[in-house]
Amino acid sequence: GAVVSQHPSRVICKSGTSVKIECRSLDFQATTMFWYRQFPKKSLMLMATSNEGSKATYEQGVEKDKFLINHASLTLSTLTVTSAHPEDSSFYICSASPGEGRGTQYFGPGTRLLVL
Amino acid sequence: TQLLEQSPQFLSIQEGENLTVYCNSSSVFSSLQWYRQEPGEGPVLLVTVVTGGEVKKLKRLTFQFGDARKDSSLHITAAQPGDTGLYLCASDRGSTLGRLYFGRGTQLTVWP
Repeated sequence: GAVVSQHPSRVICKSGTSVKIECRSLDFQATTMFWYRQFPKKSLMLMATSNEGSKATYEQGVEKDKFLINHASLTLSTLTVTSAHPEDSSFYICSASPGEGRGTQYFGPGTRLLVL
Repeated sequence: TQLLEQSPQFLSIQEGENLTVYCNSSSVFSSLQWYRQEPGEGPVLLVTVVTGGEVKKLKRLTFQFGDARKDSSLHITAAQPGDTGLYLCASDRGSTLGRLYFGRGTQLTVWP
């Protein structure tokens, strides 16, 4: 149990286009989902916390207009990278938590984004 | 500044050797988690330590939480190539919202 999926697993896009990444909890309802970004051989950096039915909470330095997050249901959160640029190329990972607040987070397999 | 400092950053050893990686901070943590991540995949939770001085074992992996709850270590006995991966420690910094903050990680390579 506790499986989290991401789609697509990898995407290549042209500079200036927008890319949407989906994060789904397959066998549980996720009140809270988190989005992370990871550069090669680096650690995960928390970008934002997504709560179902409310606005996402962004970490300091993360542009909310650049990285749009929607948590429309208890099993789906989406991250849209708007007007992508080469510096947005990265590995984006989501996690989902069944409960509110503290609790085990289950991580998705990640989405590799390459912006040309 | 990194809240969680991990060392070493890279570790390359032969199969059968023992190793220890460290996660240190100047802050006290209510809990700390260890994850392993393989290339192109998300991190997988190995263990959560909560009590100061706590020792948890997971087969050949031994996790210890410092008495003051400011540091933790992961010891692997008789490492195998399958242990290769990025080992990350993480803490919620006491947040009630469940947000996790990760250390930089230790990249372990075990050669056959």
